Amino acid sequence: EVVLTQSPPTLSSSPREGATLSCRASQSVSAYIAWYQQKPNQPPRLLIYDASTRATGIPARFSGSGSGTDFTLTINSLEPGDFALYYCQQYGNWPPTFGGGTKLEI
Amino acid sequence: EVQLVESGGDLASPGRSLRLSCAASAFKFGDYGMHWVRQSPGKGLEWVSGITWNSARVDYADSVKGRFTISRDNARNSLYLQMDSLRLEDSAVYFCARDIAWRRVTISSIVFDSWGQGTLVAVSA
Repeated sequence: EVVLTQSPPTLSSSPREGATLSCRASQSVSAYIAWYQQKPNQPPRLLIYDASTRATGIPARFSGSGSGTDFTLTINSLEPGDFALYYCQQYGNWPPTFGGGTKLEI
Repeated sequence: EVQLVESGGDLASPGRSLRLSCAASAFKFGDYGMHWVRQSPGKGLEWVSGITWNSARVDYADSVKGRFTISRDNARNSLYLQMDSLRLEDSAVYFCARDIAWRRVTISSIVFDSWGQGTLVAVSA
């Protein structure tokens, strides 16, 4: 199965700054990458799919890019509610797998 | 707004069984594939099982194949996971999640666009 490695494990930033989160796949997954945000005691929330398509209701501050094995989630102008855990998921190979997560902290 | 509410999580001994349920509302349940995804501190997020909108296809992670059975009742807007021969490593929060695609005929290329709050399964001797 495809292993997704997210980096860094923890990222420190501040409100109004930007953040760049990375996800690397152990083999090509084309553009079949999704990004999720998870806050404590909540389920994951879909942010991005197909590497760069924002899910319904997701603000334009969130953007995704990449293809093949290297992917990036960029969050511009961080808001307090953005400080959370972020996971990437691949669905280009079976079974779908998730990365270990990046904690975005203040 | 899509609502998914899981139930059935409990404390169980190794080898015992549990049945999880997921009640769906605010969307046409019968038009979407549904999945179970679990999350544990040690293994992170792990896809467990999925079923197409019409129950024509099901699939399982290797870690649960032969022990878990997924099913759905579209008339009752409900998804189920029968968990038999439970192991310590099955301990996790189990989420039901909806496939983003309408009436997908395969269980592949899955993106999970809505999730329930989860139900906790704890397997302990």
